[in-house]
Amino acid sequence: GQQLNQSPQSMFIQEGEDVSMNCTSSSIFNTWLWYKQEPGEGPVLLIALYKAGELTSNGRLTAQFGITRKDSFLNISASIPSDVGIYFCAGPRAGTASKLTFGTGTRLQVTL
Amino acid sequence: GAGVSQSPSNKVTEKGKDVELRCDPISGHTALYWYRQSLGQGLEFLIYFQGNSAPDKSGLPSDRFSAERTGGSVSTLTIQRTQQEDSAVYLCASSAVGGGPQHFGDGTRLSIL
Repeated sequence: GQQLNQSPQSMFIQEGEDVSMNCTSSSIFNTWLWYKQEPGEGPVLLIALYKAGELTSNGRLTAQFGITRKDSFLNISASIPSDVGIYFCAGPRAGTASKLTFGTGTRLQVTL
Repeated sequence: GAGVSQSPSNKVTEKGKDVELRCDPISGHTALYWYRQSLGQGLEFLIYFQGNSAPDKSGLPSDRFSAERTGGSVSTLTIQRTQQEDSAVYLCASSAVGGGPQHFGDGTRLSIL
């Protein structure tokens, strides 16, 4: 089945640093989504990518849809303490626009 | 706010008991989804409702799991004869249309003793 692998699994960074994480798959995805989940809450959609090669920004966040359609990355610039959480990539399963496959997550910790 | 609402937020029950988890989607959203998140893991799709169509149950792990959506709005996920491996956070999401951006509730944390 389709699987999404994220790296790194966890990151410990200092406030102000830039962060980069990525998501890869052995299968093609036609949509890439990036979610953030904080403790005790559901995931919140950060960025959606719909076209190979697309680069999209949302404030300090930038995400790209890989040309091969098998990968995506998320960058966070000038990290702040509230960036702490788990970041998940996700994409709809083959043949459906609705059922999402989620990645394994990247846990981000920001120190002052 | 008018986000996705789930209840209860926490549920602790004994092995073998039945449990019901409730989801109130965002008003007007036609699509509703249930996911399961085990500790430290990503989300696992369970079931999908779209309008009046038959639900997509392809993610339900066993016949102990069932869900219904009454009147195209509120949904209930039922787990019968609970097992310890059912312990997880059960998340509900809704979208305005099938395939649209999914908005998640805060989940129900289920613990089976």
